[in-house]
Amino acid sequence: QVQLQESGPGLVKPSETLSLTCSVSGGSISSYYWTWIRQPPGKRLEWIGYISYSGSTNYNPSLKSRVTLSVDTSKNHFSLKLSSVTAADTAVYFCARGNGIQLWLDYWGQGTLVTVSS
Amino acid sequence: QSALTQPASVSGSPGQSITISCTGTSSDVGGYNYVSWYQQHPGKAPKVMIYDVSNRPSGVSNRFSGSKSGNTASLTISGLQAEDGADYYCSSFTSSSTLVFGGGTKLTVL
Repeated sequence: QVQLQESGPGLVKPSETLSLTCSVSGGSISSYYWTWIRQPPGKRLEWIGYISYSGSTNYNPSLKSRVTLSVDTSKNHFSLKLSSVTAADTAVYFCARGNGIQLWLDYWGQGTLVTVSS
Repeated sequence: QSALTQPASVSGSPGQSITISCTGTSSDVGGYNYVSWYQQHPGKAPKVMIYDVSNRPSGVSNRFSGSKSGNTASLTISGLQAEDGADYYCSSFTSSSTLVFGGGTKLTVL
């Protein structure tokens, strides 16, 4: 059974960089489209972007200038960096596995709340 | 990319059927058979219920079904049960090879 687990700081200061890692167990990261999604409190899901096993990426146009995704196949994990954060970036951040180019998300992490505040 | 349009809320009684709509454009919903539906209970991660418009992943009840006509996709839940009460989100692949979600629909089982 594939499992994903997000990890990283729960509190980030405004203007700093948010960094999260998603560890994948029960399956190889050397396939699929590894995806980040976020959900501000009480609001809808927002797709952040994906990185493929080969390292190709695609980002939400509204976040593209601030987002960097990376993958470490040797550690079976992938990572998110979001720069210049503001309070509007406060959200639960989920990692998920994208199954095929259709990007349907078959396995999700439990999510981690990141609060942007000084 | 603009969010797909879903009704904010729907409701139904146990045993009834309900349908949730998801409207996009020819650049997303209408252009590809790559619509998925997710169920999210409070404080939990979403769970995929339907993918590629009408396919059910293994383990998902056959009470859940999906369809599409033009730029609008639909999720139908038949034989409504109390545990179906949750938020439901549609998503679609887009012409930019990105993913866009709907605004979400809160299903209340009366």
